[in-house]
Amino acid sequence: NAGVMQNPRHLVRRRGQEARLRCSPMKGHSHVYWYRQLPEEGLKFMVYLQKENIIDESGMPKERFSAEFPKEGPSILRIQQVVRGDSAAYFCASSSATRGAADTQYFGPGTRLTVL
Amino acid sequence: DAKTTQPPSMDCAEGRAANLPCNHSTISGNEYVYWYRQIHSQGPQYIIHGLKNNETNEMASLIITEDRKSSTLILPHATLRDTAVYYCIVSGGTSYGKLTFGQGTILTVHP
Repeated sequence: NAGVMQNPRHLVRRRGQEARLRCSPMKGHSHVYWYRQLPEEGLKFMVYLQKENIIDESGMPKERFSAEFPKEGPSILRIQQVVRGDSAAYFCASSSATRGAADTQYFGPGTRLTVL
Repeated sequence: DAKTTQPPSMDCAEGRAANLPCNHSTISGNEYVYWYRQIHSQGPQYIIHGLKNNETNEMASLIITEDRKSSTLILPHATLRDTAVYYCIVSGGTSYGKLTFGQGTILTVHP
């Protein structure tokens, strides 16, 4: 029973390039969440998606960041024109969420993004 | 969002029980208490959650006070591999879908 999968595990980009981070949820999960952990800081919520819908993007930076979760395939977190401040660990979580019930999120191993 | 307060650090001897406290005095009636831990820089690992009643699983026990304003995570027999940052999170209700991580408690298990 595979858990949440993220790839790549490590990603190096130069300033101005694009970064694409992928997340495959656990089997049977249709809800995906992205979190960011800056060096020496705590985890911060970025965005919550269901299949083909963005439910809550209150934690997403206003520019250069976007996320999608298509009907088929993994969820993608896209960062355009990366800057050094984007260097961080990006974690994806998934759940089978049912509103009104407990919504346990299970996390992937993360993608470490380094911007040179 | 309901906020939680945890001690910044705790120590525990290997083989002894580790009791990690958490205050969540503003918790709403439909919000759950979740515990996660993060070992080194790995992805957060789910431990346990509860609403009102005490809960136990293969990893830990969760004791929630009757007024739900605080809880305690208990690791019954701590090992060196339990050294991690432990996060107490309140979620559900209006904060549905979003986990708000605080600073957590750094638990260090000593030989």
